[in-house]
Amino acid sequence: IAGITQAPTSQILAAGRRMTLRCTQDMRHNAMYWYRQDLGLGLRLIHYSNTAGTTGKGEVPDGYSVSRANTDDFPLTLASAVPSQTSVYFCASSTTSGAYNEQFFGPGTRLTVL
Amino acid sequence: GQNIDQPTEMTATEGAIVQINCTYQTSGFNGLFWYQQHAGEAPTFLSYNVLDGLEEKGRFSSFLSRSKGYSYLLLKELQMKDSASYLCAVKDSNYQLIWGAGTKLIIKP
Repeated sequence: IAGITQAPTSQILAAGRRMTLRCTQDMRHNAMYWYRQDLGLGLRLIHYSNTAGTTGKGEVPDGYSVSRANTDDFPLTLASAVPSQTSVYFCASSTTSGAYNEQFFGPGTRLTVL
Repeated sequence: GQNIDQPTEMTATEGAIVQINCTYQTSGFNGLFWYQQHAGEAPTFLSYNVLDGLEEKGRFSSFLSRSKGYSYLLLKELQMKDSASYLCAVKDSNYQLIWGAGTKLIIKP
């Protein structure tokens, strides 16, 4: 593994179904993030984690949950998917020390909820 | 509320220079980032400004004026591979990134 991986690459999901998007990083970054990206809108933060064992809510957390059991993994769960959750989801990570802590992004998961 | 404004789309010619502007209104300021995103791919980091002035990195430069809430990304000697979206993001008082919608840059031969 090099950097951040996400799975699946894409998924079509029936409304009401539960879905977990996976994210794994091998850079030993403390902080991890989940964003959604929709056409015409900027990246919007769903949830974040500054360190293993802690999580926080971002701008658009409703309908999503996360966990951070260890440094490397940060799964995002949709408990009961709705069509408005159709989007491209990006996981990112960063250090929490240093000059500017730029975020490194995974390749994204394209999710369609029908 | 917090707001980041960028032009939606710009067109430029190969070999030319283009300036992409970004204005922001955020609760606090802890730095401004520029990212590049090719279609269907993840954003990748280009530059960071936290103090006023110009930061140069090869063909790309980024400028910041904190008093005006303004930044620009300058791309010189444009190449076809520079066709992408350019995202401006500000780190707010909670150290979270607030993102603009991005500027799609189209390069013509």
